Amino acid sequence: DSGVTQTPKHLITATGQRVTLRCSPRSGDLSVYWYQQSLDQGLQFLIQYYNGEERAKGNILERFSAQQFPDLHSELNLSSLELGDSALYFCASSVVGGGVNEQFFGPGTRLTVL
Amino acid sequence: GENVEQHPSTLSVQEGDSAVIKCTYSDSASNYFPWYKQELGKGPQLIIDIRSNVGEKKDQRIAVTLNKTAKHFSLHITETQPEDSAVYFCAAHSGGSARQLTFGSGTQLTVLP
Repeated sequence: DSGVTQTPKHLITATGQRVTLRCSPRSGDLSVYWYQQSLDQGLQFLIQYYNGEERAKGNILERFSAQQFPDLHSELNLSSLELGDSALYFCASSVVGGGVNEQFFGPGTRLTVL
Repeated sequence: GENVEQHPSTLSVQEGDSAVIKCTYSDSASNYFPWYKQELGKGPQLIIDIRSNVGEKKDQRIAVTLNKTAKHFSLHITETQPEDSAVYFCAAHSGGSARQLTFGSGTQLTVLP
């Protein structure tokens, strides 16, 4: 158990809908990262937040957004969902926001868009 | 941006044998190279990492080597056990403004009893 929690574990929804995925980092970690894992694209970095502020952006679609709250939990919002958004979404956390440091992953949320 | 290539995509070994997974990266500014193990239905688990100022690191049956000149790094698992069966991912973190981990495509390791 990495100490990173994610809810829900599974999510099934329809095209055009909006969903919110939630992540709680390990105790003491200030950074949260979001990743998408699909069969054809592998593990792709989406976005990083550090202590409430956006720190780095990867291949995140404009339909997706994220935020980190004062208690350091983070939410990833996915809107206007398409079939191709079906994937595993992972959250990871680390102690600091810059430089190189270990990232610990949560168990993921499996999103299925029908 | 960074590009990480990982080989092989699948690897089967007999229990007790060694397994080697290789990765190459493109960005010479990358300075941190973690390896993750992902079991079915779970998130990636960090198993070992190496920084660019070190050539080799070992932790019990697992070792990682880094060749900065050739821009490649490898994971070595000795005395493999059935519980080592999983998908293994290498990754590289750029020390520049990219500030993100770029992952390889993964290796499905199967240890046959």
